[in-house]
Amino acid sequence: DQQVKQNSPSLSVQEGRISILNCDYTNSMFDYFLWYKKYPAEGPTFLISISSIKDKNEDGRFTVFLNKSAKHLSLHIVPSQPGDSAVYFCAASVAYSGAGSYQLTFGKGTKLSVIP
Amino acid sequence: DGGITQSPKYLFRKEGQNVTLSCEQNLNHDAMYWYRQDPGQGLRLIYYSQIVNDFQKGDIAEGYSVSREKKESFPLTVTSAQKNPTAFYLCASSEQGRAGELFFGEGSRLTVL
Repeated sequence: DQQVKQNSPSLSVQEGRISILNCDYTNSMFDYFLWYKKYPAEGPTFLISISSIKDKNEDGRFTVFLNKSAKHLSLHIVPSQPGDSAVYFCAASVAYSGAGSYQLTFGKGTKLSVIP
Repeated sequence: DGGITQSPKYLFRKEGQNVTLSCEQNLNHDAMYWYRQDPGQGLRLIYYSQIVNDFQKGDIAEGYSVSREKKESFPLTVTSAQKNPTAFYLCASSEQGRAGELFFGEGSRLTVL
């Protein structure tokens, strides 16, 4: 049973336009959500996160929106740049699942291609 | 230059052989993790360790073993009992109090022939 779902395996966007990546979750215990970016043959890098007490968090060109009632979050990238082309993973955790460690549940990822 | 180092980056092994993947971090993080990624799949947790000499099974621990004798090191052994070991393996670490902000190594690609 997939607790974190990214239903779009891929997304193509023109440079300069907005990229919107979506993520749905089923476990209502999740209270912390993250987005990771991954280039081929490299480890993922942390991009942005949001706690369940917020509905929006911004960091430069990246904004994450959380809709708890719909169990849905989205990552907006504005403006999109060719260097943003990567696989984006949505992840969720229960923030206090254990002292000092956080078990993340990942979605399958969405491959974003930004076309120059 | 702090970070996580995984080695080797690429590894080929014959079926039935045990393989150990190395993971070393100099971030002074207490928690370390091993994930597995398969094509078109998300990352799945194999094992994690919150502190030296302690570790817990993740979602797909069968066929794997780990040790945590030092804070900096968390090696993963892929045993012959793992039915489908060919995959991309990722090691990560995290700081206490920073929920979910894992720092990942560059990964090790294991191919079993």
